[in-house]
Amino acid sequence: DAGITQSPRHKVTETGTPVTLRCHQTENHRYMYWYRQDPGHGLRLIHYSYGVKDTDKGEVSDGYSVSRSKTEDFLLTLESATSSQTSVYFCAISVRGADYGYTFGSGTRLTVV
Amino acid sequence: KQEVTQIPAALSVPEGENLVLNCSFTDSAIYNLQWFRQDPGKGLTSLLLIQSSQREQTSGRLNASLDKSSGRSTLYIAASQPGDSATYLCAVGDNAGKSTFGDGTTLTVKP
Repeated sequence: DAGITQSPRHKVTETGTPVTLRCHQTENHRYMYWYRQDPGHGLRLIHYSYGVKDTDKGEVSDGYSVSRSKTEDFLLTLESATSSQTSVYFCAISVRGADYGYTFGSGTRLTVV
Repeated sequence: KQEVTQIPAALSVPEGENLVLNCSFTDSAIYNLQWFRQDPGKGLTSLLLIQSSQREQTSGRLNASLDKSSGRSTLYIAASQPGDSATYLCAVGDNAGKSTFGDGTTLTVKP
């Protein structure tokens, strides 16, 4: 996972509280992505970014927002966490879209109780 | 909408066997296809990336092929080892920089 760090690695939070997950890269890659991984659903795209302040929605974006004020940081916020958002969240980076493929972070395991 | 299927969901083989993992996709207008390995509780590690203009890629004991017209890719693992035990996922990339993932094949290689 060289060059990409997710924090925190584990978090337990209560229903209704806001939660922010951070993805930090040192590779200066333009593209960054947030995925969630759940049993029976594989990896699903939440949001992605193709540059500073340029973001777009993925297939499961409801209940999530993102921000990218610097090239190196991509933040995922759960505005009001729900139990259905219990999941493992992965950040990924890419040099230029799909040309060079993805590099993934180690993941954040989030439990909403 | 692109759909990616990996069959079988699980596979168990004895050490030393050669094996093939399958990935099929519904929309042949892909940009690339990437194979990943995931160990339990860990992130995804990229194994091979095939561009849409390529037919195959090789790395050590791994060989991935791509047939866009039939919507299929295979990952060939030669002389399997217990250390190859993991879940293998394929991801099909589009020209907007997004990828659709299959659910993976969990491989167990028995000593």
